[in-house]
Amino acid sequence: DAGVIQSPRHEVTEMGQEVTLRCKPISGHDYLFWYRQTMMRGLELLIYFNNNVPIDDSGMPEDRFSAKMPNASFSTLKIQPSEPRDSAVYFCASSPQTGQGVEAFFGQGTRLTVV
Amino acid sequence: SQKIEQNSEALNIQEGKTATLTCNYTNYSPAYLQWYRQDPGRGPVFLLLIRENEKEKRKERLKVTFDTTLKQSLFHITASQPADSATYLCALRTNAGKSTFGDGTTLTVKP
Repeated sequence: DAGVIQSPRHEVTEMGQEVTLRCKPISGHDYLFWYRQTMMRGLELLIYFNNNVPIDDSGMPEDRFSAKMPNASFSTLKIQPSEPRDSAVYFCASSPQTGQGVEAFFGQGTRLTVV
Repeated sequence: SQKIEQNSEALNIQEGKTATLTCNYTNYSPAYLQWYRQDPGRGPVFLLLIRENEKEKRKERLKVTFDTTLKQSLFHITASQPADSATYLCALRTNAGKSTFGDGTTLTVKP
């Protein structure tokens, strides 16, 4: 397996524009996580899914953020409208069901810059 | 409120010594405690996990302890090498699957 795949790797956008980040988890993994990392706030959990269903979105900062997982092999994180304070590295991670080994496998991240 | 604290932002040690990193948590009931390594520009990589009913786990030069009474985990790297220099993150995972990370400790091993 190629691991967790995120796209794009880098995104530069203007304030007010819509941004969509994409993630393909490892095949067979039941959990998918979206994290945001900044120097100030560290690695923050935004939302996670189990079997494509959102379980906890309490980390989503505002209504401008939304995440979907239409099937087991694809998820998106959308920011609309984007703001400069959204600039960060966004990571997607997936992990197997509890009991089979619970480590999370991370993608390479998407570095988002909002100007 | 829930909080995960790692002992310090940075730790500098001499090659060959043992590095000890600390992870303390409050208002959590984790089923698992995990340690990850993160290199600049990369995503975290899993190293080791310990379950709530376990006291200690070892893997090669790595050792993790877990004290649910103290709400603390210690992560040791023995015979440290410059290649061990990285940021180390602890993470708590509940039975529901929610995984929350600490801010990390940046370890520098000097030759």
